Amino acid sequence: AQSVTQLGSHVSVSEGALVLLRCNYSSSVPPYLFWYVQYPNQGLQLLLKYTSAATLVKGINGFEAEFKKSETSFHLTKPSAHMSDAAEYFCAVSSNTGNQFYFGTGTSLTVIP
Amino acid sequence: NAGVMQNPRHLVRRRGQEARLRCSPMKGHSHVYWYRQLPEEGLKFMVYLQKENIIDESGMPKERFSAEFPKEGPSILRIQQVVRGDSAAYFCASSVDRPPYEQYFGPGTRLTVT
Repeated sequence: AQSVTQLGSHVSVSEGALVLLRCNYSSSVPPYLFWYVQYPNQGLQLLLKYTSAATLVKGINGFEAEFKKSETSFHLTKPSAHMSDAAEYFCAVSSNTGNQFYFGTGTSLTVIP
Repeated sequence: NAGVMQNPRHLVRRRGQEARLRCSPMKGHSHVYWYRQLPEEGLKFMVYLQKENIIDESGMPKERFSAEFPKEGPSILRIQQVVRGDSAAYFCASSVDRPPYEQYFGPGTRLTVT
């Protein structure tokens, strides 16, 4: 069975600083990987997805993530944090057959003015 | 293309009543997933359905909870004899039946049991 680990349930950054949210997965076969964002009292919104086309994936709102097979990681980054980035972020992995979809426990991002 | 629709957005039930949560997937999506989220907690998978079939219900409590996705109409998550511990946000997601199977989420139904 696959699993997803998000290191750091809470991350705080200053406005304008680099955002780095960590995600590691466990899988013997490169899966499909996703990052979602959840703003307060809303559903999850897809930020970006990895489908093996390119290891560096660009998403919405200036976020990007890099798939590193050797490290089984898919960390989310943004060069400069905005106040509007404050939200909960979830990493997820899908099996190749799509029958299983696993979410990490989430990382709450706080942006300090 | 309308997104995933969920209704009601807010639902208040007294202990012992039934709660019915509805989810209409995105057009062309044949897979539906239900999740529960408690305050300050992550998403908990409940059930995965395709039309007229339950594929995986490993996250569903054994009693009082049931789900269906009929040939026509929305998917329904039904909670019988609700208790205070059922108070949570319930999210529905849908996907197509081809890689990478990304899920698109509805806005959620916030259930409050009084």
